[in-house]
This record gives sequence, C-alpha cells and structure tokens, in this order.
Amino acid sequence: EVQMLESGGGLVQPGGSLRLSCAASGFTFSDYAMTWVRQPLGKGLEWVSTISGSGVSTYNADSVKGRITISRDNSKSTLYLQVNSLRAEDTAVYYCAKAHRNGYNLADLDSWGQGTLVTVSS
Amino acid sequence: QSALTQPASVSGSLGQSITISCTGTTSDVGGSNFVSWYQQHPGKAPKLMIYDVSNRPSGVSNRFSGSKSGNTASLTISGLQAEDEADYYCLSYRTYNILVFGGGTRLTVL
Repeated sequence: EVQMLESGGGLVQPGGSLRLSCAASGFTFSDYAMTWVRQPLGKGLEWVSTISGSGVSTYNADSVKGRITISRDNSKSTLYLQVNSLRAEDTAVYYCAKAHRNGYNLADLDSWGQGTLVTVSS
Repeated sequence: QSALTQPASVSGSLGQSITISCTGTTSDVGGSNFVSWYQQHPGKAPKLMIYDVSNRPSGVSNRFSGSKSGNTASLTISGLQAEDEADYYCLSYRTYNILVFGGGTRLTVL
C-alpha cells in the first residue's frame, strides 16, 4: 500500500525557516516525481514545488520562488521542503503527493499524505 | 500565477447529474492534455478522480467522467450519491513547467 507521512510542521515566527519531510513507502520511490501542494485553512489547493524521480529537475511556483528548496533522499524514500523567510501567507496545510506515472513530472498526482500544518505567526 | 476558474458551488439532487467546469487559457487547459480532477472531503487529503482529461484511475466509479472543449475542461458526475458531496479541484499543466489548480467547487447533494 502506498503511503506518505508528512512531518515538520508547527508554529514559526515571521522570517523564520522550516524543513518539512515526507516519508514514503509502498512503491519504488526513485521512479516517481514528487510534489508539494499547500492549502490555507478553508481555502483552495496551491501547487508549490515538484522534483523529478532522480532529483535532477525541480520546478517551483512563482509565489515561493527564491524562498523554497525541494529535495529528496532516494536512499531513505524521503521528500523534503525547506521554506525560508516565512510569511503569514505561507500558513497552510502542506501535502506531499506522488506522481501517478513514471516519467510524468508535471501531471496528475495519485497518492497524497494527510498533510502537516504550518502556522506563521508572532 | 492565476488559478483556473471554477464555479464556487454547484448542487444537484440524489440521482441527478452535474457538471463542474474548469476554464483556463491556451497556455494551460487549452494547450495541455494533462488536466486532472480531485475530490476532497472535509479534513481529508485530495483523491485523484480523472487524469489526462478523461481517464479514470482504477477504483474510481464510472459515474465520474471528464471532457474538454477549447480552454474549458469539465467533470461530470452522474447518478449523484450522498458521498459525492465534497470539494472538487481541477489541475492543469501550464507552460512552462508549472502546475496550476482551479479555485475549487463545493458540490452539495440535495
């Protein structure tokens, strides 16, 4: 069974940093691109960042460009998101999601974690 | 990056059919077959319902179907059931190397 478990969320002050993790299991992790999607409470989904299966290619939303780094450790089947210079508008549930198909980096997402809440507030 | 346009809400009675639209531009919906749809119940993670405009993943009911015309993709749910009540989001590839979601549609089953 495919599973993703996010961790690392919490309360952070404006201007602070956070590293989110997503531990994956149930599939060959290195074969699939992985994506971070966030959702402010009560609002819609927003694509944040995607990384290819090998980790060579990364893609970021303009809203977070320059402040985030997506990475992965295929030996640990773990995805990461480093977020710097946090702002109030970064407050959201952050989901990690798996690409549906091998080799399709920016397409559909077939398995999602349950999310980790990041709250940016003083 | 502007979101794709979806109606904020739609409603339908049990057993009826509804359609949710997702309007973009030639840079995303109109120019890509990587359009997918997600169902999200309150407090839960999204679930993939349709990919590549009109394909259903295994395990998704055939009551769910997708289509596209020009810059607008559509999700149709036939034979509405109470458990279909949820939020629905479209997702599209956008040139270059961007993914963009729709704003989401709340489906109410009457």
